Amino acid sequence: EAGVAQSPRYKIIEKRQSVAFWCNPISGHATLYWYQQILGQGPKLLIQFQNNGVVDDSQLPKDRFSAERLKGVDSTLKIQPAKLEDSAVYLCASSLVDGGTEAFFGQGTRLTVV
Amino acid sequence: KQEVTQIPAALSVPEGENLVLNCSFTDSAIYNLQWFRQDPGKGLTSLLLIQSSQREQTSGRLNASLDKSSGRSTLYIAASQPGDSATYLCAVGTGANNLFFGTGTRLTVIP
Repeated sequence: EAGVAQSPRYKIIEKRQSVAFWCNPISGHATLYWYQQILGQGPKLLIQFQNNGVVDDSQLPKDRFSAERLKGVDSTLKIQPAKLEDSAVYLCASSLVDGGTEAFFGQGTRLTVV
Repeated sequence: KQEVTQIPAALSVPEGENLVLNCSFTDSAIYNLQWFRQDPGKGLTSLLLIQSSQREQTSGRLNASLDKSSGRSTLYIAASQPGDSATYLCAVGTGANNLFFGTGTRLTVIP
């Protein structure tokens, strides 16, 4: 079974530029998450989708971050404009729709804002 | 709001030792608890998932326990190996299927 795919693996941008990350979840997984992991910290949820609807985006900085999941499969996360404090690893995860099911993570995208 | 704490933050042990990693959480109303491994520069690999109705799960040399009432979980690693060196994260699953993570324990197994 293929895992969660993310791209790119690494990205370096200047502050105030924009950037987009892509995620393809495990086939059949209805729930998709984007997490932000700052160095030395645990991942923090940014947004959670169930199919193509948003379940939780309470911690998404909506003035600069946006995310979409078209057709309930792939998802993109965008930052515009980026700030230095956005430097982090952005992790995508997916799980089956039922509560209490196992979450599977991708390799992440390491973003450096200079 | 759920708070997850992991102690110790870092741990070094000689190869072959058995060890225990600790995780505590503030809200006992959880659906499950998941232990992950993270290698430097990599994503998270799921190790064990314990449902709220279960007390423990085992996979090979790993055993995870859950005491929901006291808000605690432990990950026991038997006969540690240098390949076990990584950061171990615990995450608590809530009703919305969201995961709240601790900050991790960085384990180094010395050959």
